[in-house]
Amino acid sequence: AQKITQTQPGMFVQEKEAVTLDCTYDTSDQSYGLFWYKQPSSGEMIFLIYQGSYDEQNATEGRYSLNFQKARKSANLVISASQLGDSAMYFCAMRESTSGTYKYIFGTGTRLKVLA
Amino acid sequence: DTGVSQNPRHKITKRGQNVTFRCDPISEHNRLYWYRQTLGQGPEFLTYFQNEAQLEKSRLLSDRFSAERPKGSFSTLEIQRTEQGDSAMYLCASSPTGVKHTEAFFGQGTRLTVV
Repeated sequence: AQKITQTQPGMFVQEKEAVTLDCTYDTSDQSYGLFWYKQPSSGEMIFLIYQGSYDEQNATEGRYSLNFQKARKSANLVISASQLGDSAMYFCAMRESTSGTYKYIFGTGTRLKVLA
Repeated sequence: DTGVSQNPRHKITKRGQNVTFRCDPISEHNRLYWYRQTLGQGPEFLTYFQNEAQLEKSRLLSDRFSAERPKGSFSTLEIQRTEQGDSAMYLCASSPTGVKHTEAFFGQGTRLTVV
């Protein structure tokens, strides 16, 4: 069964520094997608970045990059040059593609606090 | 605005009452999902539709919960005989078919409080 594990309930980072949020996953599918979402205190889920299981290069979107290590089944989010507005909950998610199910499974999240 | 729309945004109900929430997905999206999120937790999958067909339903979902998407457009989630444990944020999301990997687009959620 597919599963997402985020082991860091909370993280602190100094403004302008980089931070890595951990995510490991479990799946028996060969084809799957990995996603990161940001959820500020206002509650909306904001899509940040996507990595496909067959993508050879790590995904990048502006200050966000995804450190994808397929053999270790990890998909860590790296935020560079942290800003105060990055303070939020961050969720890792996965969607399998070959098992016939198209649901997105989420981890328990990491609360990031950026310090001035 | 062509994003996912959920109504109402907030609902307070007494224990034992029935409630219904509505979700309007992005118009060209065939897949529609319902999730429940409690404080400090990640979204928990409840059910999803492809067009009007309900293709999967979580085993965690009790018989008090039912969802419909009668014409393959908007969807409703009904909770009968609400309990205090049903208090949560209910999130709706949609995604297109025909795109192998795409993110789910979320609405702003309906926050349910059962008193």
